[in-house]
This record gives sequence, structure tokens and C-alpha cells, in this order.
Amino acid sequence: GAGVSQSPRYKVAKRGQDVALRCDPISGHVSLFWYQQALGQGPEFLTYFQNEAQLDKSGLPSDRFFAERPEGSVSTLKIQRTQQEDSAVYLCASSLVVTGVPQETQYFGPGTRLLVL
Amino acid sequence: QKEVEQNSGPLSVPEGAIASLNCTYSDRGSQSFFWYRQYSGKSPELIMFIYSNGDKEDGRFTAQLNKASQYVSLLIRDSQPSDSATYLCAAKQLIKAAGNKLTFGGGTRVLVKP
Repeated sequence: GAGVSQSPRYKVAKRGQDVALRCDPISGHVSLFWYQQALGQGPEFLTYFQNEAQLDKSGLPSDRFFAERPEGSVSTLKIQRTQQEDSAVYLCASSLVVTGVPQETQYFGPGTRLLVL
Repeated sequence: QKEVEQNSGPLSVPEGAIASLNCTYSDRGSQSFFWYRQYSGKSPELIMFIYSNGDKEDGRFTAQLNKASQYVSLLIRDSQPSDSATYLCAAKQLIKAAGNKLTFGGGTRVLVKP
């Protein structure tokens, strides 16, 4: 079946603009994650949804970052008043099971490359 | 100190040789570990996971876990030029309060030379 999809693949924003990044998880996957990957670094956790509930948003760097998943499927990561330090690849991942299973694996989408000028 | 540490490399390996990648973690609450491969400009793709002490083999890949030493490794046998990529080690806690998030190392860049 189809994997995780993300759009847009590339986004150039002027400093101060708002952006919205979309993630379509694998059908039936309960859990959805957002990560931020700076150039040359490993991905860093931003937030986690179980169905429509946002259970962990401890990684969101500031209150300019907001994520939602209103119907428990598609998710949107919104960044308000973008800054140059927001430039990164934003990765979405989904997994089938909820929690507590050691072999639960996350499957990543292609990412959205955000460049803030 | 980062929670998950990897040597950034590059690790240069002749074609056909064994590539050995190491990863250490600081949080003893980490219970399962994942190796992802990431080609330049692409998203991470899962190679394998391990959560029991010892070795786990999958094709040309072997993951090793030593919880006492807080050490995870990945061996790539018969390395091919197509194995040239960045390899990410990730740790996951199984404590409900911690959720399912993965904590990644910075990745090790591997170059397989023909």
C-alpha cells in the first residue's frame, strides 16, 4: 500500500510568513509523529498523536509551532512567523500500534524541506 | 552530552568488507533500538530493530545490543557501493509517560569504495 506522504516537498518562506505542512500517514496507522531534521543532524522529536489526541508536544521549540490531527488521520504542522532557524527538513512518521510494544516501528515520509529567507 | 551518540564519520569501507557502526546511549530506560538508513536528500528507511541483548541478523545486516554497556552496533557484511549512506541509530523508551518517540543519534556517514 501507499506509504507516508507529505506536502509540499519544498517550501521557501520569507521570514515572518506562516507555513502549513501536511502529512498523510499510512492508512490505519494510529500513531503519528513529527520530527525536525537540521542539516547534518539526526531527526529530533517534535510531537506525537495517538489518533486525534496530541499526547506529547514536548519537542515543539516554541509557541510558534502548532500541530493538529482533527480526524485522527491527516496531520498539519503549522509554523507561525517563521524564523531563519526554522529552516530544516520536517519529517512525519506513522506507526500501526499504540504503545508498549518494543518492536513497534515508525515509517517515515519523504519530508518537507523548509527554507526561510 | 546527547542521549544517543554516534561517530559522525565518514567511515570509509572497501567494497566487500564489513562495515562496523557503533552507537551508545545514556538513558537506561531505553528498551528498543532501531537502525535507519538515510540517503542524501531522502527520508530515513528502517533497516532493523533490536530489543533483546545479543545479536540479531537480517540478511547482510547484524545488530548487536549490550544493555549493560549501553551499546548498540550494526554490522554490514559484504558492503556494496549502494550501502553508502548515513546510518541513524535511534532509541525508544517503553515507559508510557515517555510516549513512543524515537531519540536519534547524529548519524554515521558510510562510504563504500569500489
